[in-house]
Amino acid sequence: QKEVEQDPGPLSVPEGAIVSLNCTYSNSAFQYFMWYRQYSRKGPELLMYTYSSGNKEDGRFTAQVDKSSKYISLFIRDSQPSDSATYLCAMGSNFGNEKLTFGTGTRLTIIP
Amino acid sequence: NAGVTQTPKFQVLKTGQSMTLQCAQDMNHNSMYWYRQDPGMGLRLIYYSASEGTTDKGEVPNGYNVSRLNKREFSLRLESAAPSQTSVYFCASSASSGPLHFGNGTRLTVT
Repeated sequence: QKEVEQDPGPLSVPEGAIVSLNCTYSNSAFQYFMWYRQYSRKGPELLMYTYSSGNKEDGRFTAQVDKSSKYISLFIRDSQPSDSATYLCAMGSNFGNEKLTFGTGTRLTIIP
Repeated sequence: NAGVTQTPKFQVLKTGQSMTLQCAQDMNHNSMYWYRQDPGMGLRLIYYSASEGTTDKGEVPNGYNVSRLNKREFSLRLESAAPSQTSVYFCASSASSGPLHFGNGTRLTVT
């Protein structure tokens, strides 16, 4: 079993819909959680970073962490075609990036 | 506004050939990393350098070597390429406890 599980999709939703992307994990030592967005033929870019359980909001994006269920989510409100990308979750147990574990990514397409 | 620059963007090698992937960052970051990205596997760390003059193995170091040439540059060398090394390679950098900043990748095919 992988430490981090992420549904690869693909996921297609109409423009304006709310998108929910999720990851589950098995390592209870994970303390901080990130979401990266990766456009086709580009490198990943950091979208959201959370350290504790609960919600964190940034514009149309909300990251949610439930440590008791070992489950994290990224919600995108009012989705736009420019949100079409692959979304990677990542998590770690200390502040060293060399310890990060990435999900395999979910490919999202927003249909105009 | 370059960030992390990787060269080349694409490369095709024959089995047994060698090559070096170059990476440079202009953000004055101490730490640099090499990842490979394969379908269904996610990003896996090959090597990293926490600071100039140091390098350490990551999750999948076999078949690779690295050099931290100076604070800006971190190269990845394949001495004898194998088809299993066909992948997309990403270089990244970070401040000591900051988020990763990635380059746009090198797409390598080994035939």
